Amino acid sequence: QKEVEQDPGPLSVPEGAIVSLNCTYSNSAFQYFMWYRQYSRKGPELLMYTYSSGNKEDGRFTAQVDKSSKYISLFIRDSQPSDSATYLCAMSAIDDMRFGAGTRLTVKP
Amino acid sequence: DTGVSQDPRHKITKRGQNVTFRCDPISEHNRLYWYRQTLGQGPEFLTYFQNEAQLEKSRLLSDRFSAERPKGSFSTLEIQRTEQGDSAMYLCASSLSDRGGQPQHFGDGTRLSIL
Repeated sequence: QKEVEQDPGPLSVPEGAIVSLNCTYSNSAFQYFMWYRQYSRKGPELLMYTYSSGNKEDGRFTAQVDKSSKYISLFIRDSQPSDSATYLCAMSAIDDMRFGAGTRLTVKP
Repeated sequence: DTGVSQDPRHKITKRGQNVTFRCDPISEHNRLYWYRQTLGQGPEFLTYFQNEAQLEKSRLLSDRFSAERPKGSFSTLEIQRTEQGDSAMYLCASSLSDRGGQPQHFGDGTRLSIL
């Protein structure tokens, strides 16, 4: 079993839809949780960074962490075609970061 | 541009050759990380530095892989005697602080193709 599991999709939604992306993990030592967006042939771009359980909102993006269930989510409201990318969850204990495999999202106009 | 910079963006080489990639981190960041990413997968951690000290290298993929950060600024990743399986994107990231958990900021990577 991988330490971080992420549904690879692909996920296709119409413009304006609410998107839900999820990851589960097995290592209870993980304390820091991140979501990255990666466009084709580019490096991952940090979207959200959270430390504790609960919700964090930034514009159209909301990150949710449930440490008791070892489950994190990213919600995208009013999705736009420019949101089409691969979304990677990532988490770390202290030093190294572990990534999910990424979910490929397409938002259709 | 004050982000993480990687050079070259794409390297094509024949099997058996040595290759070296360079990473220039965000200037005030003292931590620098190397990752490998293959198609359809998330980045896989290889090694990291705090200033010039390499604090973790047990996850380097084989003894053909080595990394340096001699003056605590830019870093190089070298792969000796390249193999077909080394074809991947090699990503560099940097972060602030000597405490763990700081968010890492990535460059756009070096894509390695082995002929």
